[in-house]
Amino acid sequence: AQKVTQAQTEISVVEKEDVTLDCVYETRDTTYYLFWYKQPPSGELVFLIRRNSFDEQNEISGRYSWNFQKSTSSFNFTITASQVVDSAVYFCALRGANTGNQFYFGTGTSLTVIP
Amino acid sequence: GAGVSQSPSNKVTEKGKDVELRCDPISGHTALYWYRQSLGQGLEFLIYFQGNSAPDKSGLPSDRFSAERTGGSVSTLTIQRTQQEDSAVYLCASSIGTGNTEAFFGQGTRLTVV
Repeated sequence: AQKVTQAQTEISVVEKEDVTLDCVYETRDTTYYLFWYKQPPSGELVFLIRRNSFDEQNEISGRYSWNFQKSTSSFNFTITASQVVDSAVYFCALRGANTGNQFYFGTGTSLTVIP
Repeated sequence: GAGVSQSPSNKVTEKGKDVELRCDPISGHTALYWYRQSLGQGLEFLIYFQGNSAPDKSGLPSDRFSAERTGGSVSTLTIQRTQQEDSAVYLCASSIGTGNTEAFFGQGTRLTVV
């Protein structure tokens, strides 16, 4: 089965704090792809990052970084020095190479950054 | 177009009426997806198109829901005899292919059944 778990429903941090959003996945595919999306209050989902299952190299993009660990089936997302504009719902998603082409989304983590 | 376009942005309909929701994907994107997001909830998969065919309709919640895609481009999601539980935001996404490609989402259609 394909499943994505985002155990943190809501997180609040004070501006400039670091915050990590957890994502744990389950899949029977040996090749799969992981994604993070941001959904700001405006509602439109914005693509942030894609990772392949065979590439465990962590990635940093400005204040954003992602930690992919196959051993723990996790793909966590860290925002450094958070800003009010980071307030949004963040979704982690999984797509298997051999189990259809739909994206399996977690239930999302609502992040509020308090000024 | 530059992005995925959905229309209408908002739709209020009376219970029992039929509605059509439209999605215009990014030009050249062969894969198209429909998802549903209820208030404060995650994304529920409805249907996936590859070109004009729909290899995966597993998420359609009932036979009141149908979708088609013509010319490998525009897709229409039709809900017949709408019910109040159909109220949600319907999201369309497209991707250039499958596998190692991300999907880009439209702004959604907010459907309210009264």
